[in-house]
Amino acid sequence: DSGVTQTPKHLITATGQRVTLRCSPRSGDLSVYWYQQSLDQGLQFLIQYYNGEERAKGNILERFSAQQFPDLHSELNLSSLELGDSALYFCASSVVGSGSNTGELFFGEGSRLTVL
Amino acid sequence: AQSVAQPEDQVNVAEGNPLTVKCTYSVSGNPYLFWYVQYPNRGLQFLLKYITGDNLVKGSYGFEAEFNKSQTSFHLKKPSALVSDSALYFCAVRDRGNNAGNMLTFGGGTRLMVKP
Repeated sequence: DSGVTQTPKHLITATGQRVTLRCSPRSGDLSVYWYQQSLDQGLQFLIQYYNGEERAKGNILERFSAQQFPDLHSELNLSSLELGDSALYFCASSVVGSGSNTGELFFGEGSRLTVL
Repeated sequence: AQSVAQPEDQVNVAEGNPLTVKCTYSVSGNPYLFWYVQYPNRGLQFLLKYITGDNLVKGSYGFEAEFNKSQTSFHLKKPSALVSDSALYFCAVRDRGNNAGNMLTFGGGTRLMVKP
């Protein structure tokens, strides 16, 4: 158990809908990262938050947004869903968010999104 | 930009034989390098990391990896494979000079199949 909690584990929805994925980082970790894992794209970095502030942005679509709350949990919002958004969405956390950090990321079990 | 290549989609090895999973990387500065393992329907689990120092890094479950700067490689190895090692393995890199965030860039993954 990594200590990172993601909900829901599975989600099935229709095209055009909106969903919210939730992540609670390990106790004490200030940084949260979101990754998308699909069969044809591998693991793609979406976005990172550090202590409530956006820290880095990757290949995140404009239809997607995220935030980190004062209690450090994070939510990833996916809207106007398309078939191609079906994937496993991972949250990871680490202690710090600065460039001097050498530490590994700790991953949750993921939220599997199926768009029909 | 940083990138990782895992040239083999799948590696097959017999139980008891040594295994190698290959990884090459590209960063503008000096790298931090990581290996993760993913079992079916699970999140990514950290195996080992190279930060500095000895080029041979030892990690969890008897795995080790060798950092080779001249070849920009970080191959994962294990002297004697177990059937339970069968999983998806990811190599990841972070440029230690990147102060914009410390997200990891992952390779496409290599599926390791260990046969009895």
